Formats: sequence, structure tokens, C-alpha cells
Amino acid sequence: GEDVEQSLFLSVREGDSSVINCTYTDSSSTYLYWYKQEPGAGLQLLTYIFSNMDMKQDQRLTVLLNKKDKHLSLRIADTQTGDSAIYFCAENGGYQKVTFGTGTKLQVIP
Amino acid sequence: GAVVSQHPSRVICKSGTSVKIECRSLDFQATTMFWYRQFPKKSLMLMATSNEGSKATYEQGVEKDKFLINHASLTLSTLTVTSAHPEDSSFYICSARGAGQQNQPQHFGDGTRLSIL
Repeated sequence: GEDVEQSLFLSVREGDSSVINCTYTDSSSTYLYWYKQEPGAGLQLLTYIFSNMDMKQDQRLTVLLNKKDKHLSLRIADTQTGDSAIYFCAENGGYQKVTFGTGTKLQVIP
Repeated sequence: GAVVSQHPSRVICKSGTSVKIECRSLDFQATTMFWYRQFPKKSLMLMATSNEGSKATYEQGVEKDKFLINHASLTLSTLTVTSAHPEDSSFYICSARGAGQQNQPQHFGDGTRLSIL
């Protein structure tokens, strides 16, 4: 079945850039997503990229997709304390089912 | 943007009680709704996919008699945890998708934290 992997934890200083990485196995993925989850809350869609794109930038967020290596990354520029959360990547490879990664907990140190 | 409302946000009840969680799409018609369960510090586990007007499709290992799903209208799906026990305590999250949006992102509710004493 599909598998999506992320590192569990990332710690950065406020003002630095954060890079969260994700690898997936389903080569038929059409869309790949990044979600943010704050403690006790649901998931907030941050951004998504279509599989025929290499990069997408949206304000402080930059998504890079290496389809050959099945590698997705999310870069957050000028990371703020409010960015502290768990970040999930997810891929949509089938008709309805989305597979989520294990989540990366981002800690921003003031 | 699309809004999904989930209610209640938190439930604490005694063992043996049945608990109903509602998931509503507020500004779009959700032909498909998804129910997830999230254990502490873990990823989301898809429990079932519910299409309006038809029976839900449950993932392997999820007891359909334990977790009853009803998607009777295009804006409402409910998950009922029947005869809940402490091991059912978890964070339950719903998401929704509109017609013709198979590749579009799902829109998530804020989740329901269920605690069974």
C-alpha cells in the first residue's frame, strides 16, 4: 500500500528557515498536500502541489517536488513562534483516498 | 473558503455510552466525507469513507457495528461510537469533499476529543 514518511521532529530558531521533508511511495500521486495541526485542533490546509509541478511558492511557504525521487519538501521562510505545530504531508494517489504522513513536529525557539 | 464544522469538540462520558459526532459542510455540498482517528502523537488513520446516500466504506480493521456512520444529506455526516469503552478514547476528525473534487484537498473539521471513563 501507499506509504508516506516524515522525520518526527524539527527545531529551528525564530527568523531562520525551516525545511520539512517527506517521502512517498505511490508513483500515481496526482496531488500532494501540506497540512498544519496545532494542539487539540483539526488540520489546516497550508498548500498543495500538482504532481506535474516542481515548485510552488506562496508567501513564506515554498513547496519543492522531486517526482523522480518521490520527495516533497516544505520550506517556511522567516519562521515565527506561531509556526510551531505538527506538519503533515499527504498524497492523493487514488480516486478518493488520501494517505497522510507521520507528521513532523516543528518547534520554534524564540 | 470551504468550511467544515464538527460538533461536539469534546466529550467525556461513562463506559457503555453511545456517542454521536456530527460533521457538517457549511458552504458546499459534501458528496464524500471521511472519518479519521488520531492517536496521541500519531498520524491520522482513515476509518471510513462515506458517500451521501449510500453505505460507508470501512477500512480494514475498523468495526462497522462499533462505528456507525450515516451520511443522509449533502451537508451532514454522523459518526456514532456505540457502547464506547476507554480504548475508544481518541481524537476523531472528519473531512469533506465536494462533487467532482476527487483530486482537490479535503476540508477538515476541528476534531472531537472523546474521553471514555
